[in-house]
Amino acid sequence: QVHLVQSGAEVKKPGASVKVSCEASGYTFTSYHIYWVRQAPGQGLEWMGSINPTGGSTNYAQKFQGRVTMTRDTSTNTVYMEVNSLISEDTAVYYCARRGPVGAASDHWGQGTLVTVPS
Amino acid sequence: DIQMTQSPSSLSASVGDRVTITCRASQSISSYLNWYQQKPGTAPRLLIYNAAGLQSGVPSRFSGSGSGTDFTLTISSLQPEDFATYYCQQSYSFPQTFGQGTKLEIK
Repeated sequence: QVHLVQSGAEVKKPGASVKVSCEASGYTFTSYHIYWVRQAPGQGLEWMGSINPTGGSTNYAQKFQGRVTMTRDTSTNTVYMEVNSLISEDTAVYYCARRGPVGAASDHWGQGTLVTVPS
Repeated sequence: DIQMTQSPSSLSASVGDRVTITCRASQSISSYLNWYQQKPGTAPRLLIYNAAGLQSGVPSRFSGSGSGTDFTLTISSLQPEDFATYYCQQSYSFPQTFGQGTKLEIK
């Protein structure tokens, strides 16, 4: 079955960068886009962007343009999401999710990665 | 960006109740509307895709309807495991956007 397994929790200083990984299994990696969604403590869900594992093309929400980079490694079926110039407001759980076959919904999710940026 | 507005923000109900949550888009999104359930400390779970499609493995007491700008999620008979937060999401255009969530609590 489909699994998305993310890297572990991180604590980063303001101004630093963090790179979160998402390893996919149980399906053909290049057949489905991957989304990244984050959730600040006690808050709702925020869509950050997507990557097409086939060619590596990306779409970022305007808010994250220039500060977030999504990449993939087809040899390990892994997608990466890097956030630069971290601020305390970037403290959140970051999720990867697979774009499903119908309607572009997120049909499978990783377990989430908590990134903490102390103020 | 398309704004998604859910109502109510919170809801108290009892086991066995019929519950409806609504979601309104700031512009037409055709049927590109999805519903997710999230329990504390866990990732969201897809319930409904394309406004009315029931995701595999989701109980049939969950149903969705609507098109254009107005959508509803209905739980026909609440079960104890249904108490959670529910989010709508539009996947019509980038950036995808979510409603603010509806917290469903036990009365």
